[in-house]
Amino acid sequence: QVQLQETGPGLVEPSETLVLTCTVSGGSMNSYSWTWIRQPPGKGLEWIGSIYYSGSTNYNPSLKSRVTISLDTSKNQFSLKLSSVTAADTAVYYCARGLRGNDYWGQGTLVTVSS
Amino acid sequence: QSALTQPPSASGSPGQSVTISCTGTSSDVGANNFVSWYQQHPGKAPKFMIYEVSKRPSGVPDRFSGSKSGNTASLTVSGLQAEDEADYYCSSYAGNNRVFGGGTKLTVL
Repeated sequence: QVQLQETGPGLVEPSETLVLTCTVSGGSMNSYSWTWIRQPPGKGLEWIGSIYYSGSTNYNPSLKSRVTISLDTSKNQFSLKLSSVTAADTAVYYCARGLRGNDYWGQGTLVTVSS
Repeated sequence: QSALTQPPSASGSPGQSVTISCTGTSSDVGANNFVSWYQQHPGKAPKFMIYEVSKRPSGVPDRFSGSKSGNTASLTVSGLQAEDEADYYCSSYAGNNRVFGGGTKLTVL
């Protein structure tokens, strides 16, 4: 059974960079895309971006200038960096498997942007 | 890219059927068959319910079905049960991007 787990700080100061890591267990990262999705409190889901096991990436155009997703298959991990954060970036951040559809999800981690 | 359009709410009584629509454009929903649906209970991660418009992952009851016509996809829940009360989100692949709907809160009366 594939499991994903997000880790990272729960509080980030405005203008800083948010960094999250997703650890994948119970399966190989090969031949799949890996995705970050977020959900502001009380709101809907927003796709942030995805990385293919080859390393190629696709980002939400509205976030593209601030987002970097990277992959470390040796550690079975992929990561999200979101720069210059503001209060609008406060959300539950999910990692998930897949690009065209997401079959496995992490439990989500709440990141609050505040000083 | 704009979010897909879903009704904010839907409801039905136990045993009834309810259909949730998801309207996009010819650049997303109408452009391919990579429409998926997710169920989310409060405080939980979304659950994969439908992929490629109408396919059900293993373990999802056949009470859940999906379809598409033109730029609009639909999720139908038949034989409503109390545990079906949740938020439902559609999503579409859109040329190397993904877009989600705003979500529909399904209430079982």
